[in-house]
Amino acid sequence: AQKVTQAQTEISVVEKEDVTLDCVYETRDTTYYLFWYKQPPSGELVFLIRRNSFDEQNEISGRYSWNFQKSTSSFNFTITASQVVDSAVYFCALSEARNAGNMLTFGGGTRLMVKP
Amino acid sequence: KAGVTQTPRYLIKTRGQQVTLSCSPISGHRSVSWYQQTPGQGLQFLFEYFSETQRNKGNFPGRFSGRQFSNSRSEMNVSTLELGDSALYLCASSFNINTEAFFGQGTRLTVV
Repeated sequence: AQKVTQAQTEISVVEKEDVTLDCVYETRDTTYYLFWYKQPPSGELVFLIRRNSFDEQNEISGRYSWNFQKSTSSFNFTITASQVVDSAVYFCALSEARNAGNMLTFGGGTRLMVKP
Repeated sequence: KAGVTQTPRYLIKTRGQQVTLSCSPISGHRSVSWYQQTPGQGLQFLFEYFSETQRNKGNFPGRFSGRQFSNSRSEMNVSTLELGDSALYLCASSFNINTEAFFGQGTRLTVV
């Protein structure tokens, strides 16, 4: 069965620090998709990135970057020069192609607090 | 382009009652999924509908049911409410299978 683990339940940093959120996944499927979502206090999950299992290229979007390593089953998320607005709960999620749908298995989430 | 709309935003119900939550997906999206979020269990998948057919179902009792209409709007129903059903219920819409899901703001259900 698929599983996503986010070992860091809470991280606190000071503004402008870099921070990495870890995500480790388990799946028996050879084709799968990995996601990161941000949940601000308002409750809505905001989509950040989707990665398929055949694309191990790292991705950079502004201050955000993602490191996908199949060898260690990890999909880590780094925020460079963090800002107070980055404070939120971040979720890593996995979807397996064999489910032929959009069923997401989420990790437990990492609460990021960025202090001014 | 309008996002995913969930109604109502807040609900208070009594144990034993039933409740219906509604979700309007992004225009053109055919897949709607439902998730339950609680402090103890985190985000858990309930079910997914694609073109009015249930594609996947999570590990929830039969009291939880859903459906999707021809216009892709979806409803989920919980019968015989229990205190443990208190949660944030999130709906997500996707254009196709294995594509990114966009979430609504959720319905916060409190069972007293």
